[in-house]
Amino acid sequence: RKEVEQDPGPFNVPEGATVAFNCTYSNSASQSFFWYRQDCRKEPKLLMSVYSSGNEDGRFTAQLNRASQYISLLIRDSKLSDSATYLCVVNMGAAGNKLTFGGGTRVLVKP
Amino acid sequence: DGGITQSPKYLFRKEGQNVTLSCEQNLNHDAMYWYRQDPGQGLRLIYYSQIVNDFQKGDIAEGYSVSREKKESFPLTVTSAQKNPTAFYLCASSIGDTSYNSPLHFGNGTRLTVT
Repeated sequence: RKEVEQDPGPFNVPEGATVAFNCTYSNSASQSFFWYRQDCRKEPKLLMSVYSSGNEDGRFTAQLNRASQYISLLIRDSKLSDSATYLCVVNMGAAGNKLTFGGGTRVLVKP
Repeated sequence: DGGITQSPKYLFRKEGQNVTLSCEQNLNHDAMYWYRQDPGQGLRLIYYSQIVNDFQKGDIAEGYSVSREKKESFPLTVTSAQKNPTAFYLCASSIGDTSYNSPLHFGNGTRLTVT
C-alpha cells in the first residue's frame, strides 16, 4: 500500500458544479496535511493547509478524518481555472519532517 | 520579493556527464529540499537539509549529491551514476518544521533531459 494515495482521475466537472475527492494516508501518526495545486509543467503551489476541525477558503473546503485516515478536498461552483492536478501532501511524522506526496488527482472543468 | 530561484529552467546533457542544478532562496528558511517528478507521477524526495552543513538522504538519493554550505543555497548534482536522470527537478524550502503554518515553498523547477 502506498503511503499517500489518491485517485488519479481525471474528474470531468461541468462548470459551476461541485467536485470532491479524497486522499488516504497510511501512518496514523501523521501530523500535518496540505493540499497543493499543480498546473501542467509548473511547480506545485500551496492551496490550503488542512486543520483537524476542517477549514474553508472561499470555494474550497478541506476535511480531515483521522479515524479513517483520509483528507478530502471539495470545490464548489467550479471554474474553468480550477482545472489542475491537486496533490495531497502529508507529514508522516518521520524524522526530518519529510513530507510525502500523493500522485495527484487531475480535475478538468469543462464549459 | 522573497522566493526560490532555480536555474536553469531547461538543461540538456549527454549521458555520462555530471550536472549541477542551482537552487537559491531569500526567504530565510532553514530547511531545503530536492524533489524529482516524472510524468504522471507524484514528487519523490531526493535529499533534504534542515540546517546549514547538514543534509540527509531522501527516498531516492542514489546517483545524486548535494551540499549546504550556505543557508540560501542547496545545489543538487546529478551524477553519471543516476540511471534515469531525465525528469523535472523541484527545489523547495520551509521555515523548519513542516507544520500547518510552515508548508513548502517551491521554485519553478528545472527540466533536465539527458540523451
